[in-house]
Amino acid sequence: DAGVIQSPRHEVTEMGQEVTLRCKPISGHNSLFWYRQTMMRGLELLIYFNNNVPIDDSGMPEDRFSAKMPNASFSTLKIQPSEPRDSAVYFCASSSSKQGGQPQHFGDGTRLSIL
Amino acid sequence: AQSVTQPDIHITVSEGASLELRCNYSYGATPYLFWYVQSPGQGLQLLLKYFSGDTLVQGIKGFEAEFKRSQSSFNLRKPSVHWSDAAEYFCAVGGRPEGGKLIFGQGTELSVKP
Repeated sequence: DAGVIQSPRHEVTEMGQEVTLRCKPISGHNSLFWYRQTMMRGLELLIYFNNNVPIDDSGMPEDRFSAKMPNASFSTLKIQPSEPRDSAVYFCASSSSKQGGQPQHFGDGTRLSIL
Repeated sequence: AQSVTQPDIHITVSEGASLELRCNYSYGATPYLFWYVQSPGQGLQLLLKYFSGDTLVQGIKGFEAEFKRSQSSFNLRKPSVHWSDAAEYFCAVGGRPEGGKLIFGQGTELSVKP
């Protein structure tokens, strides 16, 4: 079975540029999560969706960050404009229940470097 | 407030030795508990989970964990560590109040000495 697929795996860009990260969740999963991981702050939940609807975006650091889930099989996380402090590994995860109890399945992440 | 504490940031064990990684949680409802492992350059992989029933749960790669409600703990164990177990380990808690959201600990980095 295909797991969570993220693209690109690596992204290097200059500050001020727009960055778009993509995620395809596991087929049949109805919850999707975006995380950011850094050495300093560890693993942070940015936003999560249930049935394509954003449920909790309290972790989104600022207005430069936005996320969409236009359908059950695709989500994007966009940073515009990007800044060096956005450099991190961004993970997407999906699970099959909004009521808790089901594990999240993680993609391999996108390593983002903003110069 | 809901939280997960992994008291050990970094642990080093010798290959073949036993391992125990600690996890304590604070959660107001019935917790669902998870352990994940992250190898360098990879995403988090589920090792095991506890929902209810037998408090000793078996996972992949020879790991097990024991849920102790009285101690609010969910420690991960392995009787004999292999060099390939070197990685970062995350404990997480979730439940109905959180919906599908998980609260993760800060992680414990495991190094294995030959």
